[in-house]
Amino acid sequence: DAGITQSPRHKVTETGTPVTLRCHQTENHRYMYWYRQDPGHGLRLIHYSYGVKDTDKGEVSDGYSVSRSKTEDFLLTLESATSSQTSVYFCAISSSDRGDYGYTFGSGTRLTVV
Amino acid sequence: GIQVEQSPPDLILQEGANSTLRCNFSDSVNNLQWFHQNPWGQLINLFYIPSGTKQNGRLSATTVATERYSLLYISSSQTTDSGVYFCAVDPYTGANSKLTFGKGITLSVRP
Repeated sequence: DAGITQSPRHKVTETGTPVTLRCHQTENHRYMYWYRQDPGHGLRLIHYSYGVKDTDKGEVSDGYSVSRSKTEDFLLTLESATSSQTSVYFCAISSSDRGDYGYTFGSGTRLTVV
Repeated sequence: GIQVEQSPPDLILQEGANSTLRCNFSDSVNNLQWFHQNPWGQLINLFYIPSGTKQNGRLSATTVATERYSLLYISSSQTTDSGVYFCAVDPYTGANSKLTFGKGITLSVRP
């Protein structure tokens, strides 16, 4: 178990407000990812991190920012939430602990923007 | 970027039946993974299989990298196999892989 915790699990917020989602891992993994899941789209990469203060954009990064000031925490911020950002957000880590580079996902955060 | 197509989009099985789920991809890959999303939304990694064949209980997977497809076999299906199955790929390998996901295959296993 990679020990990945996402918080909050559910959130409802109003359009235009900033929102921060947290991904916390307990096993010192270097590589962390944020994906969003929407019907008909599968999962799409928002941002990723290769280490502390080392982040980069994914496929659908507009309107999102990330920070990683500690190895264990990867934060996703919606700077000004819009209804199109209503989605389920998943954090993942990648490691070679199993002998491969398999992803392990957190339980997800369901975000509703009203 | 690389395209991932999964088929069929939906599948309904009677408990005990076997099934084959397909993943086609548009370019060479060095990282391919299969995931199961259960009805509660949890994503579980089933296989890391950029090439070759692996088996885990009633599930097995085969990737033919030269022909750009992967197959996930489910034998003697159970109701707990229900959910969405995703294939995800990356042209590059390594722990810094950035996976591109297909849209998923929704499997319903009826008792």
